[in-house]
Amino acid sequence: SYELTQPPSVSVSPGQTARITCSGDTLSNLYVYWYQQKPGQAPVLVIYKDNERPSGIPKRFSGSSSGTTVTLTISGVQAEDEADYYCQSADSSTTYWVFGTGTKLTVL
Amino acid sequence: EVQLVESGGGLVQPGGSLKLSCATSGFTFSDSTIHWVRQPPGKGLEWVGRIRTKADNDAAIYSASVTDRFIMSRDDSKNTAYLQMNSLKTEDTAVYYCARPHSSGYYDNWGQGTLVTVSS
Repeated sequence: SYELTQPPSVSVSPGQTARITCSGDTLSNLYVYWYQQKPGQAPVLVIYKDNERPSGIPKRFSGSSSGTTVTLTISGVQAEDEADYYCQSADSSTTYWVFGTGTKLTVL
Repeated sequence: EVQLVESGGGLVQPGGSLKLSCATSGFTFSDSTIHWVRQPPGKGLEWVGRIRTKADNDAAIYSASVTDRFIMSRDDSKNTAYLQMNSLKTEDTAVYYCARPHSSGYYDNWGQGTLVTVSS
């Protein structure tokens, strides 16, 4: 089955920049979407189409893409950003959707 | 306001069955594909599958881990989607979410989830 790979964990101090990567064979051809999930809550979309930010999402969240790796960047991390982050895309046929393995962001 | 509300979760023995419901409001349900996503306790999100609209003959596809055991259906008159889960295994233990996709390929709206526990 198709997989998207993320680092299990990223740790940063408040005010620093956090970068979370997502790698997959189809990502050079398909968009990636990023979700933030806090304990006991449903995921919330923070980036769509690689680098677009939904309304209501702080400007410190941004996305970028290079080849088969996409990156979620959180600039000036705040304590409230501590959460699990998941990338999401699809397989090459776009029939099967897929999530990344997830990254736990810890704000030290 | 768009709402999706899952129900039907609970404790079931291995090999048993359970049917989840996803009641919706705030959008034209009959025009919307519905996806199911699950999350085992303490683990990541897993796409389960999706069911399309009547215009696409309610076409459903499933992930490899549930195909041949799970069946998706919908009742447009009740604005509700269903997930029938058969031959349940302990590894099916998870919070199950229904979600409404945006045409651009992401999830616009999620339910709050319902917990399914498969244990003897």
